[in-house]
Amino acid sequence: AQSVTQPDIHITVSEGASLELRCNYSYGATPYLFWYVQSPGQGLQLLLKYFSGDTLVQGIKGFEAEFKRSQSSFNLRKPSVHWSDAAEYFCAVGAMNTGFQKLVFGTGTRLLVSP
Amino acid sequence: EAGVAQSPRYKIIEKRQSVAFWCNPISGHATLYWYQQILGQGPKLLIQFQNNGVVDDSQLPKDRFSAERLKGVDSTLKIQPAKLEDSAVYLCASTGQGAPGELFFGEGSRLTVL
Repeated sequence: AQSVTQPDIHITVSEGASLELRCNYSYGATPYLFWYVQSPGQGLQLLLKYFSGDTLVQGIKGFEAEFKRSQSSFNLRKPSVHWSDAAEYFCAVGAMNTGFQKLVFGTGTRLLVSP
Repeated sequence: EAGVAQSPRYKIIEKRQSVAFWCNPISGHATLYWYQQILGQGPKLLIQFQNNGVVDDSQLPKDRFSAERLKGVDSTLKIQPAKLEDSAVYLCASTGQGAPGELFFGEGSRLTVL
């Protein structure tokens, strides 16, 4: 069965500094990978996704992620963090469930942005 | 385009009481999901519908949880009787593609069981 590990529960970054959130997955086939962001009291919003092709994918709000098959990783990056990026970030792996899409989420990483 | 609608946003009940949550997916989306998100954890899939049929309910505690999507559009998730450990946010999501695609989430229904 597929699974996702996000090893960092909390990360604090200074505003303007770069960010990298780690994600490792376990899945027997080629994975479909996603990063979602959740602001307090809100639902999950898709930042970016990887299905195939170029292993570096660009998303919304200046985020990008790189798929590394050899490391089973899909780390999220941003070159310069803004205070509004403070939120919880979830990595997810998608699998076909009896012919239909299903997502398995990691436990999330809470990003704190310091002035 | 209207997003996924959920209600109520907040609900507080005593243990052993019942509660129901409603979800209206994005128009035309055939696949609907209910996820449970306990504080400090990632969302966990409870049940997945394709139109009005159940695709996966393997993680739904069927002794107390039930869900239906009778006309293949909106859905109701019920808990009866509730336990303290059911305190969580219940997220509804939908997608229109059978192939891998983006799930669109509602804002969630926060349940507190006292």
